[in-house]
Amino acid sequence: AQSVAQPEDQVNVAEGNPLTVKCTYSVSGNPYLFWYVQYPNRGLQFLLKYITGDNLVKGSYGFEAEFNKSQTSFHLKKPSALVSDSALYFCAVRGLNNDMRFGAGTRLTVKP
Amino acid sequence: DTAVSQTPKYLVTQMGNDKSIKCEQNLGHDTMYWYKQDSKKFLKIMFSYNNKELIINETVPNRFSPKSPDKAHLNLHINSLELGDSAVYFCASSQDWGSTQETQYFGPGTRLLVL
Repeated sequence: AQSVAQPEDQVNVAEGNPLTVKCTYSVSGNPYLFWYVQYPNRGLQFLLKYITGDNLVKGSYGFEAEFNKSQTSFHLKKPSALVSDSALYFCAVRGLNNDMRFGAGTRLTVKP
Repeated sequence: DTAVSQTPKYLVTQMGNDKSIKCEQNLGHDTMYWYKQDSKKFLKIMFSYNNKELIINETVPNRFSPKSPDKAHLNLHINSLELGDSAVYFCASSQDWGSTQETQYFGPGTRLLVL
């Protein structure tokens, strides 16, 4: 079965520092991986996805993610965090029925 | 010009009532979904419709019944509401169910509270 895991419930970083939000996956076949962000009282917004090709995927708002097949990981990164990046981040994998299987979410807090 | 919209945004109701949540997308997509986000923020697929036909029906109580009058709409009707139904319900859409590469676009959510 397709699944993702986000090992950290909470990530705290200082503004201006690099941030990483971790995600590992378990799939049968090719992985189709996604990152979404949820701001308070809002819906999910698409950030980026990995389908095939370059292992480093660039997305919205300066975020990028690195696909690592050997480590079955798809960590979300940003070189310099902003306070406005504080939100709930979800890693997801495309399920066998083309539904989206989400991780439990990681709450990112960026402090000034 | 909201891409995926849901109504109502908030819904507070008593146990045992019947309620509906509406979803509309103006993206011209073929596939629509309903997800449930519980109090711990865990998101889970409930239903998926492609061209008005049911594709995915996860283990969801029969009290939940989706209806798709056309490709642009997917409504969720809930009978005999229970306390455990309290959650945020998200509608989503994607261009084509057949493609695994498609991005899903989400609505703002409907916050349901059953008292």
